[in-house]
Amino acid sequence: GQQLNQSPQSMFIQEGEDVSMNCTSSSIFNTWLWYKQEPGEGPVLLIALYKAGELTSNGRLTAQFGITRKDSFLNISASIPSDVGIYFCAGRLNRDDKIIFGKGTRLHILP
Amino acid sequence: DTEVTQTPKHLVMGMTNKKSLKCEQHMGHRAMYWYKQKAKKPPELMFVYSYEKLSINESVPSRFSPECPNSSLLNLHLHALQPEDSALYLCASSPMSGGSYYGYTFGSGTRLTVV
Repeated sequence: GQQLNQSPQSMFIQEGEDVSMNCTSSSIFNTWLWYKQEPGEGPVLLIALYKAGELTSNGRLTAQFGITRKDSFLNISASIPSDVGIYFCAGRLNRDDKIIFGKGTRLHILP
Repeated sequence: DTEVTQTPKHLVMGMTNKKSLKCEQHMGHRAMYWYKQKAKKPPELMFVYSYEKLSINESVPSRFSPECPNSSLLNLHLHALQPEDSALYLCASSPMSGGSYYGYTFGSGTRLTVV
């Protein structure tokens, strides 16, 4: 089946640093989604991308839909303690109802 | 109302029990989903309902039985579960069966423990 390769698996950064994570696949996707999940909660949608090359921001978060439609990245600028959590990329294949999730990037922020 | 509400938040059940998980949304979304999430893993799709009809069953064991009584409600009936079924069960909804323009909205989940 289709797989999303998300990296890195985990990150330990200092507060104030910028963060970058990405997702790649061997398949072409028509939608890329980025979610954040905190302990005991469901995933919360951060950014949705629908067109190749699309660059979208949500506050300090920026995500891009790769030109090849096989990858996407998420950047977080000037990280703060509340950014801690697991970030999942998710993609939807054309003509398919299912969203496929990456394995997640666990973000830790050092004091 | 922009939420997906799941009840109960926590559930402990024995292997011979019958219980149900409930999910409700009033956003007019016509697709609803059940996901299972184990610790430190991504959510795994179990079932998809489109316009109140089951459209996808990801080869889920029959001890999990979904039900969609109307466009706002989704249930997951549980019977004779195993300890390995312990997980966070997430409900989600989207505006249309094609996955939606806005992505899925998830509930907070039901933390299920089978003893």
